Amino acid sequence: TQLLEQSPQFLSIQEGENLTVYCNSSSVFSSLQWYRQEPGEGPVLLVTVVTGGEVKKLKRLTFQFGDARKDSSLHITAAQTGDTGLYLCAGVPSSNTGKLIFGQGTTLQVKP
Amino acid sequence: DAGVIQSPRHEVTEMGQEVTLRCKPISGHNSLFWYRQTMMRGLELLIYFNNNVPIDDSGMPEDRFSAKMPNASFSTLKIQPSEPRDSAVYFCASSLITIWGNQPQHFGDGTRLSIL
Repeated sequence: TQLLEQSPQFLSIQEGENLTVYCNSSSVFSSLQWYRQEPGEGPVLLVTVVTGGEVKKLKRLTFQFGDARKDSSLHITAAQTGDTGLYLCAGVPSSNTGKLIFGQGTTLQVKP
Repeated sequence: DAGVIQSPRHEVTEMGQEVTLRCKPISGHNSLFWYRQTMMRGLELLIYFNNNVPIDDSGMPEDRFSAKMPNASFSTLKIQPSEPRDSAVYFCASSLITIWGNQPQHFGDGTRLSIL
């Protein structure tokens, strides 16, 4: 069974601080997706990383896929209150059935 | 473009009652997923369909849960009889699966279910 462990589970920081969320597995994934979920809504895709070692930037958010395609990280620079939400990583197994393996999520609270 | 549409948004009912959740996927998508989300267990996959055919229902908690997809534009998740421990937010998501993979899942806004 493929599992994704996400850490930390909860993070409460002040506006302007930096943070990193980690997503780790012992399994190899063909790609990895990051989603963000706001209260009362479903998760929304932020980015997909495909190649081992790949780095993608989305404004203040930087996503990295590990060289071995088993882990990923999300780094937020100078967090803003609008970044508050639940961040979920999801691995795409090589079987390509469309099924995703979701991490438990990181609840981020950015205080003004 | 319309996204994934779920109904109802909220459902409050007494234990023992039948509950039916509905989902309309994005037109053209060939896969549909039902999830349950709770604080304790996070986002759990219950069942998914490819081209209207159930592929993996190993996440369905027990026989009280059933799901159908009679056509490409509609799916239901039914709980009968419902129990308080079924209280959660239920999400439907759809996706287009291709040989190139990597397609994201598009989620509805969920149904918040409370069983009293």
